Amino acid sequence: DAGVTQSPTHLIKTRGQQVTLRCSPKSGHDTVSWYQQALGQGPQFIFQYYEEEERQRGNFPDRFSGHQFPNYSSELNVNALLLGDSALYLCASSLGAPGGYTFGSGTRLTVV
Amino acid sequence: GDSVTQMEGPVTLSEEAFLTINCTYTATGYPSLFWYVQYPGEGLQLLLKATKADDKGSNKGFEATYRKETTSFHLEKGSVQVSDSAVYFCAQIVNRDDKIIFGKGTRLHILP
Repeated sequence: DAGVTQSPTHLIKTRGQQVTLRCSPKSGHDTVSWYQQALGQGPQFIFQYYEEEERQRGNFPDRFSGHQFPNYSSELNVNALLLGDSALYLCASSLGAPGGYTFGSGTRLTVV
Repeated sequence: GDSVTQMEGPVTLSEEAFLTINCTYTATGYPSLFWYVQYPGEGLQLLLKATKADDKGSNKGFEATYRKETTSFHLEKGSVQVSDSAVYFCAQIVNRDDKIIFGKGTRLHILP
């Protein structure tokens, strides 16, 4: 049974570009959350998707947007990339129970 | 607001030493508490959890007790191994299906 799959694993983009990160949740999970982990910091909540809707959002600008598809997979889009967007982006899936989150290995985004 | 504070690292110990990583939280509600571990180049793995006061979470020789009176959830292990070298994150969820709030992480180095 596959866990959470994220792609790509690594990505280098130029400042001002746009990027799309992808996440396939664990089989049976219907909720996807995205986190940004800057170097040396704890993950910060970006947003959560359930039933193809953004259910809640953290303190991130509108440049960060997302989508959830009918098969529960999700995308994270970041527009107008800044150097400060360089981070590990983690996807976590769940089926509702607190703490029942499964994390992917993340996408390492470097903005140059 | 809701937050998690954990001791700063890095923490360096010799193999078979006793480990304590301190964690305290502030929460407007009644949180569930977690410890996650992140090995180099990987995502987050749930190490243990506790959902109510005086609960003790345990896994792989690690344990932590939910102390409501001191708002703490300190991680302990009686005899660490080189393979325990990783970054450890204390975290909370205040409401069911709510976002996970992480501490900044504590890097642990175990010397053989």
